[in-house]
Amino acid sequence: EVQLVESGGGLVQPGGSLRLSCAASGFTFSSFTMNWVRQAPGKGLEWVSYISSSSSRIYYADSVKGRFTISRDNAKNSLYLQMNSLRAEDTAVYYCAREYTQCSGGSCHSFGYFDYWGQGTLVTVSP
Amino acid sequence: DIQMTQSPSTLSASVGDRVTITCRASQSISSWLAWYQQKPGKAPKLLIYKASSLESGVPSRFSGSGSGTEFTLTINSLQPDDFATYYCQQYNTFRTFGQGTKVEIK
Repeated sequence: EVQLVESGGGLVQPGGSLRLSCAASGFTFSSFTMNWVRQAPGKGLEWVSYISSSSSRIYYADSVKGRFTISRDNAKNSLYLQMNSLRAEDTAVYYCAREYTQCSGGSCHSFGYFDYWGQGTLVTVSP
Repeated sequence: DIQMTQSPSTLSASVGDRVTITCRASQSISSWLAWYQQKPGKAPKLLIYKASSLESGVPSRFSGSGSGTEFTLTINSLQPDDFATYYCQQYNTFRTFGQGTKVEIK
């Protein structure tokens, strides 16, 4: 069974830092592109960041570029989001999400949509 | 950046109704569009990918159509379990979500 379990959320002051983790199980983590998606209280979904299976391609939303860093450790089946210079508007539930991927002949291709999500971890930025 | 605009923002409907939600892209995204359902306090659930392909396990009353810049999600014969918020997501260039459409009980 595919499982994604986020952790590391909490209350942090403006300007502070926090590191989120996502523990993956039930699939070959090293073959899958992963993303972080967030949702502010009562608001819609916002894509935050993307990392390819080998970490060779990384992208960020403009709203977090220069402040957040996505990374992964395929040996530990884990995805991370280092969040620095946090602002009130970063308050949200943060989800890790797996991109649907097909593998054939030793190579894998991700398709861009999210077939599995974690349960989310809440980050609150407040004095 | 590609912007995604959903309409309406809120939709009131009754059990058994046919419901249609529209999603427009600010530029062509071919068929690289997905639809998700989200219930309060829960993670989103994939319904449709590549504009019209039904995810395994999703009831056949859900269907998607469109290409280019205009897309629709249709729910035939709305069921009590379908009252939720629906999001479209483009994956032609990076990833972007629409702002959501809440389907509520009339």
